[in-house]
Amino acid sequence: NAGVTQTPKFRILKIGQSMTLQCAQDMNHNYMYWYRQDPGMGLKLIYYSVGAGITDKGEVPNGYNVSRSTTEDFPLRLELAAPSQTSVYFCASRENRNTEAFFGQGTRLTVV
Amino acid sequence: QKEVEQNSGPLSVPEGAIASLNCTYSDRGSQSFFWYRQYSGKSPELIMFIYSNGDKEDGRFTAQLNKASQYVSLLIRDSQPSDSATYLCAVNSGGSYIPTFGRGTSLIVHP
Repeated sequence: NAGVTQTPKFRILKIGQSMTLQCAQDMNHNYMYWYRQDPGMGLKLIYYSVGAGITDKGEVPNGYNVSRSTTEDFPLRLELAAPSQTSVYFCASRENRNTEAFFGQGTRLTVV
Repeated sequence: QKEVEQNSGPLSVPEGAIASLNCTYSDRGSQSFFWYRQYSGKSPELIMFIYSNGDKEDGRFTAQLNKASQYVSLLIRDSQPSDSATYLCAVNSGGSYIPTFGRGTSLIVHP
């Protein structure tokens, strides 16, 4: 099992550009999450999904969009990138409400 | 609003000592509790989980849960410099799809 795979690992965007952060898991988990983590700070939830076709906003959804067309994939879309979106982004998945979360390796995004 | 509180640290301990990390949570309905370790520049990885009151030991790590007082702790015995990392406490509430993470405690183990 590969677990949770995120691509790319690093990316530099110019202000106003758009991109999609990819996340895929091969554990057949229904629950998936996108977090951002700023330097020295905790995890902030952007969006989450409890199954294919079902998504909901987290704590900091502005400037982002998600889709969940399959159980495996949960891409995060950034539209009109802003310097405030410079961060490390983590995708995570878990089997159910009481199990641990498995994290991807993270994507380090810089917006200049 | 469900909250998980951790002292941000840094907690500095000498090599070979016991490191004690603490976490309190606000939701009395919480059912499962996790400790993750996050090295600088890396993603969080699970090191311990606990569901029931009491102690759970795994090698040098012991997780302690007290639901009446709403706290969970992590003890690291014989601390090593390689244990230097940020430790995140996470709590699952039974009625929520979202795990609640604390902001983490930075641990520094000095030789």
